[in-house]
Amino acid sequence: ETGVTQTPRHLVMGMTNKKSLKCEQHLGHNAMYWYKQSAKKPLELMFVYNFKEQTENNSVPSRFSPECPNSSHLFLHLHTLQPEDSALYLCASSQDITSGRATDTQYFGPGTRLTVL
Amino acid sequence: QQPVQSPQAVILREGEDAVINCSSSKALYSVHWYRQKHGEAPVFLMILLKGGEQKGHDKISASFNEKKQQSSLYLTASQLSYSGTYFCGTEGTGNQFYFGTGTSLTVIP
Repeated sequence: ETGVTQTPRHLVMGMTNKKSLKCEQHLGHNAMYWYKQSAKKPLELMFVYNFKEQTENNSVPSRFSPECPNSSHLFLHLHTLQPEDSALYLCASSQDITSGRATDTQYFGPGTRLTVL
Repeated sequence: QQPVQSPQAVILREGEDAVINCSSSKALYSVHWYRQKHGEAPVFLMILLKGGEQKGHDKISASFNEKKQQSSLYLTASQLSYSGTYFCGTEGTGNQFYFGTGTSLTVIP
């Protein structure tokens, strides 16, 4: 138990569906991250929020839309996904990002296993 | 920009040592090491900042050579619990953060 929870743990959706992934951290952190982990590929950083402000968007397609209403919650809204978007989506948090540096430990949630049919 | 890890996979017997390397083509500010067991989230091991530091706890340690843009993770007297996939994450001077390709480590009795 790392103090970062994600829901749902598993999600199956069609290409025309709209769904959202939720992440919540109970660690008092100010930075939150979304990662994508595909089979046999390295973890890919998707989005970074620091004090609710998006600081990084690693050229992620617009069918993925993040939302960070406060420092404890992070959402990933999904619409018109493709089968290749099937992956494990991991949320992480850290104390904060000082001067743009990710020098703090990142605590990961258990992930949401997403399957797009 | 994504760091390269080597080896891709290693199998050890309990008590043996292993070294996992992480190399980047870009100048680095920090290197992070994580371990992920099958079906679980990655778990932090340690962070090394530029300045050429070395860190360790228990029988796992790491070094960071910023001139060579490399980091190495050392596992000594391996235990069954060390099995998993080890990832390095590198932060470049341009604030970009990337995880490496991963090294699968299996410790057998």
